[in-house]
Amino acid sequence: GIQVEQSPPDLILQEGANSTLRCNFSDSVNNLQWFHQNPWGQLINLFYIPSGTKQNGRLSATTVATERYSLLYISSSQTTDSGVYFCAVEFGNEKLTFGTGTRLTIIP
Amino acid sequence: DAMVIQNPRYQVTQFGKPVTLSCSQTLNHNVMYWYQQKSSQAPKLLFHYYDKDFNNEADTPDNFQSRRPNTSFCFLDIRSPGLGDAAMYLCATSREIPGRNEQFFGPGTRLTVL
Repeated sequence: GIQVEQSPPDLILQEGANSTLRCNFSDSVNNLQWFHQNPWGQLINLFYIPSGTKQNGRLSATTVATERYSLLYISSSQTTDSGVYFCAVEFGNEKLTFGTGTRLTIIP
Repeated sequence: DAMVIQNPRYQVTQFGKPVTLSCSQTLNHNVMYWYQQKSSQAPKLLFHYYDKDFNNEADTPDNFQSRRPNTSFCFLDIRSPGLGDAAMYLCATSREIPGRNEQFFGPGTRLTVL
């Protein structure tokens, strides 16, 4: 079946630090999204990025579709960045498949 | 602002007592989805509507039903909730554009079964 793996599973950082989250997937994708799930459970769209690089403030993402991975960069972390980060991919006409998630904790 | 709205945000029900969760959207998207997310797990797709066409995932229990009376609204009915159905239920929408299917999520309804 389709495999979407994220690393690391858990990450604890001091406020102000930078971080890189990774998403590996097992097949070619036509859709890749990064989400932040806040402590109240809402999934917030960060990026729609099936290929290439995008930036939004302190966050940026890069997807290298030919090598089947995507990276999410968070710079100058703030406590509000805490939560679980999911990548989710869509293959062909298949449903959106979520990765295993990375739980990020930012310590003041 | 265009958005996906879910009501209620928190729902408590008793074992076996039917419950309905609602989702509405002002994005005018033609596709609506229901996901179930249990603690420390990724969201799991239950079913989706492409316009009025209903698509059920093969492993979605019969206990879960859905209705979409119009473009804006979608309901999740749990006919006889069990303790194992306690979870966060997430509604999402997308505009089906060939080559681009970005999904947007509501805030979720957290269901407790007593």
